[in-house]
Amino acid sequence: GENVEQHPSTLSVQEGDSAVIKCTYSDSASNYFPWYKQELGKGPQLIIDIRSNVGEKKDQRIAVTLNKTAKHFSLHITETQPEDSAVYFCAAPNRDDKIIFGKGTRLHILP
Amino acid sequence: ETGVTQTPRHLVMGMTNKKSLKCEQHLGHNAMYWYKQSAKKPLELMFVYNFKEQTENNSVPSRFSPECPNSSHLFLHLHTLQPEDSALYLCASSPIAGGPYEQYFGPGTRLTVT
Repeated sequence: GENVEQHPSTLSVQEGDSAVIKCTYSDSASNYFPWYKQELGKGPQLIIDIRSNVGEKKDQRIAVTLNKTAKHFSLHITETQPEDSAVYFCAAPNRDDKIIFGKGTRLHILP
Repeated sequence: ETGVTQTPRHLVMGMTNKKSLKCEQHLGHNAMYWYKQSAKKPLELMFVYNFKEQTENNSVPSRFSPECPNSSHLFLHLHTLQPEDSALYLCASSPIAGGPYEQYFGPGTRLTVT
């Protein structure tokens, strides 16, 4: 069945260092991979997404890489800052175009 | 946040009460969603509406009853809830249901069932 696995569940990173969150998906037909950031007291917000026809996408300090053969994609945050502390969710659509979310990663940026 | 709004932001209700959650989107989208977010579970999709028609009911108990009078408004009617229904209920919208479209989330309603 459809499944999106996300690791780690919690990640602590020293301010200024990089953070990497990884996700795997099971449906080979998936073609769109968004990442959402959820801050305390707010709903998730899209921060970056990638489609299956590219292997990497960057937007300032964040980047996403996609390996379709291995069916995994990763979020990379460089030069982390305190405001990067949040819960991050990956997601992928299944064959019915229903978006399946990962369980989330709580990222702590340490001063 | 003017894109997707939800009211109330917090709700405490007893198991015998009846209440409703409201969601409104000002983005001109045609799809709206209800999600349940618990402490130790991923986002659980509950219902999907596309052009006012319900297209998904993810095996949600009948004590949750959605209503979508138009593409801009979505309600979740609650009755005889259980303590395990306490969670953050998130509403979202997108241009249409399915496909590679960003979902815009509201801030959520924090529900506590006593």
